[in-house]
Amino acid sequence: DGGITQSPKYLFRKEGQNVTLSCEQNLNHDAMYWYRQDPGQGLRLIYYSQIVNDFQKGDIAEGYSVSREKKESFPLTVTSAQKNPTAFYLCASSEQGTNTEAFFGQGTRLTVV
Amino acid sequence: QKEVEQDPGPLSVPEGAIVSLNCTYSNSAFQYFMWYRQYSRKGPELLMYTYSSGNKEDGRFTAQVDKSSKYISLFIRDSQPSDSATYLCATARPGGYQKVTFGTGTKLQVIP
Repeated sequence: DGGITQSPKYLFRKEGQNVTLSCEQNLNHDAMYWYRQDPGQGLRLIYYSQIVNDFQKGDIAEGYSVSREKKESFPLTVTSAQKNPTAFYLCASSEQGTNTEAFFGQGTRLTVV
Repeated sequence: QKEVEQDPGPLSVPEGAIVSLNCTYSNSAFQYFMWYRQYSRKGPELLMYTYSSGNKEDGRFTAQVDKSSKYISLFIRDSQPSDSATYLCATARPGGYQKVTFGTGTKLQVIP
């Protein structure tokens, strides 16, 4: 089955630690995205990548980093510089130039303890 | 003012009712309009996608866009308990990379 796999589903992190969230897709999509979802707020774009080895900051990139070394993979690192990292993180992908029809993963719930 | 406004609900309806979910947007440059359904603790899934104005129907779901009033709607006919979820509207401008702006979502509960 084609789709997007995010892992882990739940993640706990101590303050001051970096943590990396995994996102893999087998849809052969060129574009991939990371969103953050908080209660009472719409999805907010963290980073996006339209092609391998290239990515751009979204609206809330501070405290996050990404890489896009392979078409299938777009990992997100939440660094210790992110002041409020507890959130639900969603990875998505779409065909190039059609991010209006995005496919989402099942999300990773990150909790900082 | 948020670019996309959506009533968070919750909205409770009896099974079989017609549900109307709505959003307003502020930027007249938006041309693409989407509705996503999100079950609890899951990722959103695309339900409907329309370009510019008009209606689009898919089974029990109808998406409607009124660009003159900057109003988008999703109607669900013969609602089912399995429709209980949060519904997110989203809009985007045309262009090489279309930034998508999401509403906050409306939580719907269909009571058997």
